[in-house]
Amino acid sequence: GAVVSQHPSRVICKSGTSVKIECRSLDFQATTMFWYRQFPKQSLMLMATSNEGSKATYEQGVEKDKFLINHASLTLSTLTVTSAHPEDSSFYICGGLAGTDTQYFGPGTRLTVL
Amino acid sequence: GQQLNQSPQSMFIQEGEDVSMNCTSSSIFNTWLWYKQDPGEGPVLLIALYKAGELTSNGRLTAQFGITRKDSFLNISASIPSDVGIYFCAGQYDYKLSFGAGTTVTVRA
Repeated sequence: GAVVSQHPSRVICKSGTSVKIECRSLDFQATTMFWYRQFPKQSLMLMATSNEGSKATYEQGVEKDKFLINHASLTLSTLTVTSAHPEDSSFYICGGLAGTDTQYFGPGTRLTVL
Repeated sequence: GQQLNQSPQSMFIQEGEDVSMNCTSSSIFNTWLWYKQDPGEGPVLLIALYKAGELTSNGRLTAQFGITRKDSFLNISASIPSDVGIYFCAGQYDYKLSFGAGTTVTVRA
């Protein structure tokens, strides 16, 4: 299957700082990437869809100014959590859409905001 | 997206037993996918189904795309300890995924 990486795997930051999470498709080109967050014992919740070279589309209730998404190339999308607060602590997962219209996920990033 | 109805929510099984879980939806999907997620990891794709009625196997796993395009099931045969984890179904329409709530599988040795 297609491989997606995320970096960092876990990050701890102070309240008010910004955190950037990278998502890379390693062996395929992903014109579309997705960002999810997952709370304990729950399913994945879609935050936004990003297409290479264009603005991301955010789901209802997700603040675009707080969760900045950049999809600068066919293999890299970044999510920046700006002015992070403890309620932003979560498990963030990216997904890349491969040529077969199948979504492959990264290993996730555990964000803890103190 | 909408949340799919996935059942059972959890199950305890004996090693060697067969396992079945299913998902239903009020909407139709173009693709059904089954993922497994281990603690602290991202979901890993198990099986992808692209056509209504399709029955696909991957080792001990078998999944079917319902003929109405509103449901799918996953079977695991002869379960082993490493089958422990959370299984998610997902329906895809217009490139977006809608997920089930997950089935937590615990294997009794």
